[in-house]
Amino acid sequence: KQEVTQIPAALSVPEGENLVLNCSFTDSAIYNLQWFRQDPGKGLTSLLLIQSSQREQTSGRLNASLDKSSGRSTLYIAASQPGDSATYLCAVGDEKLTFGTGTRLTIIP
Amino acid sequence: NAGVTQTPKFQVLKTGQSMTLQCAQDMNHEYMSWYRQDPGMGLRLIHYSVGAGITDQGEVPNGYNVSRSTTEDFPLRLLSAAPSQTSVYFCASSYSKGTPYNEQFFGPGTRLTVL
Repeated sequence: KQEVTQIPAALSVPEGENLVLNCSFTDSAIYNLQWFRQDPGKGLTSLLLIQSSQREQTSGRLNASLDKSSGRSTLYIAASQPGDSATYLCAVGDEKLTFGTGTRLTIIP
Repeated sequence: NAGVTQTPKFQVLKTGQSMTLQCAQDMNHEYMSWYRQDPGMGLRLIHYSVGAGITDQGEVPNGYNVSRSTTEDFPLRLLSAAPSQTSVYFCASSYSKGTPYNEQFFGPGTRLTVL
């Protein structure tokens, strides 16, 4: 059974710093890995999708990498802003997703 | 496009009552699914569908029923509500035929409390 882990559960960093969020998974035979953002009391917003044949994807200040052999993905956020404060979730799968429990990120002004 | 829509946003039920959570998407997606989100547990898959007339169970299907009569709609039925079903429910959709991507899009959620 696929298991997805995100460590740490919470992270606080000063505004302007670059940061990395981690995601690990136990079964390397994945189709896709997707990163989401969730604001308190809201739904999930898709940030980046990495297909199994890809190594990374970029969108603006966000860069996600995928290393299937080690069962790891990272989400890099450059020049963090207070508006980046949210919970970040990673999920693996295709039509069925297995989620990690998320990292709650706080950017300190 | 409205994307994925869910109704109602909030609902309070008494134990034993039944209800239907509605989900609709206007992106012509083949795949639709229901997840529940509980503190410390993350999101868990309840039921999913890979097309009209086709449904299957996810990780936590007990106490829930689904059907998919159209591509657009995928309602989730609670047969006899229990306090353990208090949760936030999210509907998701993905995959259009002919596209290489399977990015999942989520609705805003339904917050359900069972007393």
